[in-house]
Amino acid sequence: QSALTQPASVSGSPGQSITISCTGTSSDVGSYNLVSWYQQHPGKAPKLMIYEVSKRPSGVSNRFSGSKSGNTASLTISGLQAEDEADYYCCSYAGSSFVFGGGTKLTVL
Amino acid sequence: QLQLQESGPGLVKPSETLSLTCTVSGGSISSSSYYWGWIRQPPGKGLEWIGSIYYSGSTYYNPSLKSRVTISVDTSKNQFSLKLSSVTAADTAVYYCARLNVATTNFDYWGQGTLVTVSS
Repeated sequence: QSALTQPASVSGSPGQSITISCTGTSSDVGSYNLVSWYQQHPGKAPKLMIYEVSKRPSGVSNRFSGSKSGNTASLTISGLQAEDEADYYCCSYAGSSFVFGGGTKLTVL
Repeated sequence: QLQLQESGPGLVKPSETLSLTCTVSGGSISSSSYYWGWIRQPPGKGLEWIGSIYYSGSTYYNPSLKSRVTISVDTSKNQFSLKLSSVTAADTAVYYCARLNVATTNFDYWGQGTLVTVSS
């Protein structure tokens, strides 16, 4: 069970859009529409932002959206704001287990 | 509002057993809608799922840790616990407990996390 692959870092200016990819295998991301995304600010616990590939929990801004194609899931943040600067982790169900991505640091320039 | 709180020693010696407890308040651990899980994060690194447990005691473990991990539940105290045996410095991490929503298969509530350092 290997970690999902995410870019180490992405950046964007306020107001722009960015996309973070999350690549797995046919045993996890490719087999289940059960990918979730978590936002983590320094020293804080992760916060659920997207679940079941593209659904947003109540209270999460509609600037956050998710999608999936084959073995790769993606998180898009539109209208970047300073408060979006954080680490982002994807997570996939893998059949009686879960696997996380290595994390992506988002910098808002 | 649901709250989860981790507790346990912050320092464990190499080769010993790490023991943590997660106390759930504001909701019942015996709900059929949720599993309860442990996730860890080494300093400066990513998240790693350790395992999950249902109120009935049914468990699922990360295959890479399975030989060293035991997760148990005490419904009378609304708590669940983690034991990780034969620890090394590589087990130094912030350990989080979290609620796993069965319907949507995601971790929707998290504890604040507790740092456990493995050192002599």
